[in-house]
Amino acid sequence: GNSVTQMEGPVTLSEEAFLTINCTYTATGYPSLFWYVQYPGEGLQLLLKATKADDKGSNKGFEATYRKETTSFHLEKGSVQVSDSAVYFCALALYNFNKFYFGSGTKLNVKP
Amino acid sequence: NAGVTQTPKFQVLKTGQSMTLQCAQDMNHEYMSWYRQDPGMGLRLIHYSVGAGITDQGEVPNGYNVSRSTTEDFPLRLLSAAPSQTSVYFCASSYSDNMETQYFGPGTRLLVL
Repeated sequence: GNSVTQMEGPVTLSEEAFLTINCTYTATGYPSLFWYVQYPGEGLQLLLKATKADDKGSNKGFEATYRKETTSFHLEKGSVQVSDSAVYFCALALYNFNKFYFGSGTKLNVKP
Repeated sequence: NAGVTQTPKFQVLKTGQSMTLQCAQDMNHEYMSWYRQDPGMGLRLIHYSVGAGITDQGEVPNGYNVSRSTTEDFPLRLLSAAPSQTSVYFCASSYSDNMETQYFGPGTRLLVL
């Protein structure tokens, strides 16, 4: 089947710390991979994406590389800010099935 | 553009009551979907539509009905609400051809007593 597994949270970091949120996936085809962010009280927003192996998605200082050999798409940021506090969702999309599959989300708390 | 809008923002139902969650988008997207978000389980796909008149089931369709009479609207119906349907519901839309970015609405928080 198709699924996404994320590290459990919450993750608590101090401002300017390095962030890694692990994401691995299982897919029957060749998925595109996404990271979405959900700020308190809001819907999900696309943070970054990668559509094929070895692609690197990046946005707002966040990066993730599509690793087919390890079926992973880990999210990283070199220096987090308090404003990065949110829930982060890893997701995959299979175009031929018109479906998205989401991970369970990882809550990030950044303290000043 | 208003993007994806959802109404109501919050609703309390009694077990057995019915209601419709509204979703509309003004981006002319063909693909629309409904998800429920439960603690520790992420988002799960309930139903989706690849265009007006075409709907299909997602991962957790039981207890929910949908229809797509226009490109803009994709309502979700609960025919007989159950406490297990207490959740936050998100509607999303995107262009269907290449499944690019999904745009999410702000969500509807539903409490079934």
